[in-house]
Amino acid sequence: LAKTTQPISMDSYEGQEVNITCSHNNIATNDYITWYQQFPSQGPRFIIQGYKTKVTNEVASLFIPADRKSSTLSLPRVSLSDTAVYYCLVWVSGGYQKVTFGTGTKLQVIP
Amino acid sequence: AAGVIQSPRHLIKEKRETATLKCYPIPRHDTVYWYQQGPGQDPQFLISFYEKMQSDKGSIPDRFSAQQFSDYHSELNMSSLELGDSALYFCASSQPSGSYEQYFGPGTRLTVT
Repeated sequence: LAKTTQPISMDSYEGQEVNITCSHNNIATNDYITWYQQFPSQGPRFIIQGYKTKVTNEVASLFIPADRKSSTLSLPRVSLSDTAVYYCLVWVSGGYQKVTFGTGTKLQVIP
Repeated sequence: AAGVIQSPRHLIKEKRETATLKCYPIPRHDTVYWYQQGPGQDPQFLISFYEKMQSDKGSIPDRFSAQQFSDYHSELNMSSLELGDSALYFCASSQPSGSYEQYFGPGTRLTVT
């Protein structure tokens, strides 16, 4: 399983765009990248997944460069309710695999 | 929409007792995962089941066991409980093979005294 590395914490003001980068240097050809959000005492919630280039949904964008050794989660115009821990995970194609949550990024949105 | 159901939501046990946590996945989801999250820590993968068979094993202590039943619900059995077992235990389920999206339940908070 590819090991992931993220910043431990980030602060941002409300209304700003936030970019959280995850490093996964030993990602394999068939691996997919997913991001989860977790609020205190709640289960993680899926945000977005991607394989390469750019993926966008209603809450975030995911940018993956050609070498796929890193990925960046972009949250547009964050609000106080986006204060949470964000996890980057790498999955082997096939779905049902052991999943390792690395050390997530604690995002604090400031009014 | 139906979500993952976990029971009980809270459980208090004494050291050396046993505990059973239950998980009911979203209908038609065939894969179940169990995680343990200690205070201030990241979720740790314990074990997973696919189509009622164990598909992978993480950092699950030998004192713990789990299974997935014919109706796809899963149970995590924990014996000889230790103070360090106090944590949030999450169950997650996912759709048939090929999906990378896990749906997490609300968790069971286990306190061992």
